[in-house]
Amino acid sequence: QSALTQPASVSGSPGQSITISCTGTSSDVGGYNYVSWYQQHPDKAPKLLIYDVSNRPSGVSNRFSGSKSGNTASLTISGLQAEDEADYYCSSYTSSSTLVFGGGTKLTAL
Amino acid sequence: EVQLVESGGGLVQPGGSLRLSCAASGFTFSSYVMSWVRQAPGKGLEWVSGISSSGGNTYYADSMKGRFTISRDNSKNTLYLQMNSLRAEDTAVYYCAKGRRATVVVELGYWGQGNLVTVSS
Repeated sequence: QSALTQPASVSGSPGQSITISCTGTSSDVGGYNYVSWYQQHPDKAPKLLIYDVSNRPSGVSNRFSGSKSGNTASLTISGLQAEDEADYYCSSYTSSSTLVFGGGTKLTAL
Repeated sequence: EVQLVESGGGLVQPGGSLRLSCAASGFTFSSYVMSWVRQAPGKGLEWVSGISSSGGNTYYADSMKGRFTISRDNSKNTLYLQMNSLRAEDTAVYYCAKGRRATVVVELGYWGQGNLVTVSS
């Protein structure tokens, strides 16, 4: 199972919106509405931000939103804040009943 | 409050074995699918394995099949990962994580703090 494809890095200024893409195949992202997004700060455990493509767990800011079109999912962060600077990972359920992660995207708040 | 506490990591020689444990509390452990995820130093997340709430179904990443075995003891609220024939490339922080469903691993809602496994001579 190959890793999902994410950009290595993105950046944005405080207050701006940024979008991180996550591209897979019809056997994972495109085949199921089971895409999730995670935020990881340095030396911390990952935190679930989005599940089932666009749902936010309780307590996650509504500045984070998710969507999907075909084999590509996206995470949008609006009103960028300094504390959003972190690594972001997507994941998808696969046709093999496994989970696959993206390679991760480093977000820099300029 | 959901808590997941991993233990059992450490230094092991190439070819050796190690068993990780994850003690769960704050939720009905027997009702949820559980997973192991690892992260090599400076690298991204890699899903390792998952197990259904009853333990009747197990799932593995292709690269772990045959060497790693996931199991759970619902009477002890504990998840395990038996790792055999360890290689240097298995060096990573291993996270225990809880899913939101009972049978399939589609997302990981809660994570432990991680446990470092170092494979080196």
